[in-house]
Amino acid sequence: DTEVTQTPKHLVMGMTNKKSLKCEQHMGHRAMYWYKQKAKKPPELMFVYSYEKLSINESVPSRFSPECPNSSLLNLHLHALQPEDSALYLCASSQEMWGSGANVLTFGAGSRLTVL
Amino acid sequence: GEDVEQSLFLSVREGDSSVINCTYTDSSSTYLYWYKQEPGAGLQLLTYIFSNMDMKQDQRLTVLLNKKDKHLSLRIADTQTGDSAIYFCADLNNQGGKLIFGQGTELSVKP
Repeated sequence: DTEVTQTPKHLVMGMTNKKSLKCEQHMGHRAMYWYKQKAKKPPELMFVYSYEKLSINESVPSRFSPECPNSSLLNLHLHALQPEDSALYLCASSQEMWGSGANVLTFGAGSRLTVL
Repeated sequence: GEDVEQSLFLSVREGDSSVINCTYTDSSSTYLYWYKQEPGAGLQLLTYIFSNMDMKQDQRLTVLLNKKDKHLSLRIADTQTGDSAIYFCADLNNQGGKLIFGQGTELSVKP
């Protein structure tokens, strides 16, 4: 299995809703990442988990809450989002966190979020 | 901070070669990458090059790295309509080890 699987593919939520995005990989990768991407822009790093511990939080607002229940799963819990949070949310994984060789990131197809 | 720059658009005819250029500012880059993103999809790694290499070839793809000028290019030979996508250059620097993406070059291939 060489894929990163993200669910759901599309999500529409109101500003008062609570929802979660899920990401799964079975490549034995020990680093997992959340990125946010606006249309035709580069991905922006949000969070990095290394060995199931949060290593990097790029000053993301607390309405986004990451969780890494085990080495294969990564969640992003969403609460009280704003319309400007509408974007494609990409999950990625790599063998190790940055600093170890080429450390190629494998990306999922993303979850497209619309906040009304 | 580190910066990676790309031109935003490139249009070519089917069968021609495409050359997508990228410049970066970080002198401590270790690896440089090219990712492809098709509409509605995630990013797909095309190739990467270690900073002590000048060139890497992989089938229709040729990566050239000029470390002195901090210039990276991706050449796609015999470009096909299926190559239409956004191409992101990315730089893995040695300080903090984050992946820095360029703005992306939208390649349009006309039949």
